[in-house]
Amino acid sequence: VQLVESGGGLVQPGGSLRLTCAVSGLTFSDYPMTWVRQPPGKGLEWVAHISPPGSHTDYSDSVKGRFTISRDNAKRSLYLQMNSLRADDTAVYYCARDYDYVCDYWGQGTLVTVSS
Amino acid sequence: QSALTQPPSASGSPGQSVTISCTGTRSDVGKYNYVSWYQQYPGKAPKLMIYEVTKRPSGVPDRFSGSKSGNTASLTVSGLQAEDEADYHCNSYAGGNTYLFGTGTKVTVL
Repeated sequence: VQLVESGGGLVQPGGSLRLTCAVSGLTFSDYPMTWVRQPPGKGLEWVAHISPPGSHTDYSDSVKGRFTISRDNAKRSLYLQMNSLRADDTAVYYCARDYDYVCDYWGQGTLVTVSS
Repeated sequence: QSALTQPPSASGSPGQSVTISCTGTRSDVGKYNYVSWYQQYPGKAPKLMIYEVTKRPSGVPDRFSGSKSGNTASLTVSGLQAEDEADYHCNSYAGGNTYLFGTGTKVTVL
């Protein structure tokens, strides 16, 4: 099983960024997926969750209305569209498989830095 | 959506035991038996060590054990080894497809 995030980088406050998580080694379309982030030197924070067909999504209060989680099961890919970015969104962003209420497989993470 | 509370640090000598607490509320830790624990080395992704409060994934040493009482879950590492020095994060399902992580605990092997 492999999860590989990409799309991170430096962006100015108020800007946008789209993260991608490419998944292999499992039947991607069978499982819910999650984004988790970790600000530098701090703990983990759950960000968003999406159902297997992509029809149901949930968000933490800190990103609701600014971030959108989506997926393309044909491409075995998970996405996180991040708009109106703020300095406190600076973090390493991880994608993870959600299997019965636990994140069991994780990617290596991609760093998003929001700064002018 | 407040983070679960963990002590910032914990330590023990090789061979000793260390226990880390994870305190939530009756809406998350107290309500659901979906508490998990993750080990994380610097610069690395988290690794699942305990799920559903007490269960260990294949390959995780039985030195790692989990428990829960009321709104507080705990992770115990018995027979501490140098390789156990890492950050540990708890996680709880909070209903409605939402989750909470703990504030994280740095374990030091003296």
